[in-house]
Amino acid sequence: DAGITQSPRHKVTETGTPVTLRCHQTENHRYMYWYRQDPGHGLRLIHYSYGVKDTDKGEVSDGYSVSRSKTEDFLLTLESATSSQTSVYFCAISDNTRNTEAFFGQGTRLTVV
Amino acid sequence: AQSVSQHNHHVILSEAASLELGCNYSYGGTVNLFWYVQYPGQHLQLLLKYFSGDPLVKGIKGFEAEFIKSKFSFNLRKPSVQWSDTAEYFCAVNAGAGNNRKLIWGLGTSLAVNP
Repeated sequence: DAGITQSPRHKVTETGTPVTLRCHQTENHRYMYWYRQDPGHGLRLIHYSYGVKDTDKGEVSDGYSVSRSKTEDFLLTLESATSSQTSVYFCAISDNTRNTEAFFGQGTRLTVV
Repeated sequence: AQSVSQHNHHVILSEAASLELGCNYSYGGTVNLFWYVQYPGQHLQLLLKYFSGDPLVKGIKGFEAEFIKSKFSFNLRKPSVQWSDTAEYFCAVNAGAGNNRKLIWGLGTSLAVNP
């Protein structure tokens, strides 16, 4: 498996609190992605990064922010968690040259109560 | 807009049955195509990929897929499924250019194989 570590793996938090999820890679890949996975919705892109301090929004970015201060780390922050953000969050990385695929982390199961 | 459509949301098969999962995409340019598998409770893993060349691609665990450019399709096949193939299967297309190049995902197909 590619060197991708997500932390924490499980978290329960209360509505209204900020939450930060971390994705750490050891592959030196340029691109990093945050997805959420929900039944019936497949994978939805939240934010992605194409380099240090270079980020862009995905299709479901409201309520989320990201930061990438180092190549290896990509942080996802829920500014004020809501129950609708209960989900499984996956980080992915890719070289994103023409002929490479994405590699996924193990996922973080977040429950907002 | 770019999109990926997986025709079957839920498939139930018996062991040894043949499998075909449909995937169509909408994008007029050059694409890279992927099938990923997600076993229960696990992360997504690459099953197979197409970049160029032979449109019939062979992947792990006996899976294969055929890219038919004229039909914008990349269907996944396996001649004889096993109980261990029970999983969720996702088709994805890598489309776009430059920094906007990213994966577009289908909604997934849940496969249950009965022993």
